[in-house]
Amino acid sequence: GAGVSQSPRYKVAKRGQDVALRCDPISGHVSLFWYQQALGQGPEFLTYFQNEAQLDKSGLPSDRFFAERPEGSVSTLKIQRTQQEDSAVYLCASSARQRNTEAFFGQGTRLTVV
Amino acid sequence: SQELEQSPQSLIVQEGKNLTINCTSSKTLYGLYWYKQKYGEGLIFLMMLQKGGEEKSHEKITAKLDEKKQQSSLHITASQPSHAGIYLCGASPGTASKLTFGTGTRLQVTL
Repeated sequence: GAGVSQSPRYKVAKRGQDVALRCDPISGHVSLFWYQQALGQGPEFLTYFQNEAQLDKSGLPSDRFFAERPEGSVSTLKIQRTQQEDSAVYLCASSARQRNTEAFFGQGTRLTVV
Repeated sequence: SQELEQSPQSLIVQEGKNLTINCTSSKTLYGLYWYKQKYGEGLIFLMMLQKGGEEKSHEKITAKLDEKKQQSSLHITASQPSHAGIYLCGASPGTASKLTFGTGTRLQVTL
């Protein structure tokens, strides 16, 4: 597709449930980022991939969060044993080069943990 | 770590009026990005500034990066309802690729 696609758009999970969020970046984009955006706040960095390599996962809040990009294209963010504080919009972005270039964002997945 | 402060936090302007949003960094900016976000949607890239003193314009939006590269401003001329949304500045800290974002400025344009 022409842009970054994320699915699902909305997800309601019961506390303790595992969830998987998908990101389809723009074709050919080397870099892929995941961000978490709480209500009323700016996005906060979670993790970064260059092709299939996860080069930075310093923003992942706990070991319940796991991200992968096995073939250097589609990425999945998995959250295990969800908790209420995980409720947020999860944004995926991709860019053509490593840095100093604009990143294109998907529409996000709004996760609500009840 | 780098912190970005945006001001004002929210802004209501009448259609046709000009406005300015500021973004101040706690550290030297190596790259400053402006994005716009509508409620429930992703971020739309507006502009990227890298050089001190740089200024870029797109349609009625102009962004500047000051000489010391620690502050940027976004100016909208003759605002329209389509300009309404949340404006976010983002910075790349040094050579890293990830962005640190400000908390955003919510803009409403009234008729």
